Amino acid sequence: AQSVTQPDIHITVSEGASLELRCNYSYGATPYLFWYVQSPGQGLQLLLKYFSGDTLVQGIKGFEAEFKRSQSSFNLRKPSVHWSDAAEYFCAVGALFSNYQLIWGAGTKLIIKP
Amino acid sequence: KAGVTQTPRYLIKTRGQQVTLSCSPISGHRSVSWYQQTPGQGLQFLFEYFSETQRNKGNFPGRFSGRQFSNSRSEMNVSTLELGDSALYLCASSLGQGGADTQYFGPGTRLTVL
Repeated sequence: AQSVTQPDIHITVSEGASLELRCNYSYGATPYLFWYVQSPGQGLQLLLKYFSGDTLVQGIKGFEAEFKRSQSSFNLRKPSVHWSDAAEYFCAVGALFSNYQLIWGAGTKLIIKP
Repeated sequence: KAGVTQTPRYLIKTRGQQVTLSCSPISGHRSVSWYQQTPGQGLQFLFEYFSETQRNKGNFPGRFSGRQFSNSRSEMNVSTLELGDSALYLCASSLGQGGADTQYFGPGTRLTVL
């Protein structure tokens, strides 16, 4: 079955340090790729998406992600995290195999150390 | 533009009862998707409606049903509630089919089943 893997359930990073959240998917062709963020008690907000073209995608709040076809990965990065970035981050994939129903990763909870 | 709204925000029911949740999409959006979010199972896709037609359905029992009206507003119904139905129910709207387009999420309805 097709799947989306976020291998890190929790990540703790010091404020001001860089961040990389991992996302891998299993699917032969290039899917649509998304990163969403969920703050406590809130719905999900889109950070960025990749449909085609430049494999380095810029998003909101200083986030970026790079699509690597050879590794089936779409990792999220931020050069310097702020305390307000503490939240849960979800990677999602939409593709023809699922009739473009989004397949979601389990999420990575980001904890910021002061 | 107003965002996606969901009512009610919080709901407490007892086992065996039924419940109806409502979602109003962003103006002009024709697709509405519903998700169930629990700590143990993460984000699970329930169904998607596009122009009043169910386009996709997740792997949930028939107790979960939905519909979409001509103004794109959507309702989700759960009959014969079980304790395991306690969750955050999220609605998302998009211009085109979800998974191939950006989904905008509402704040969710927190359902507690006692």
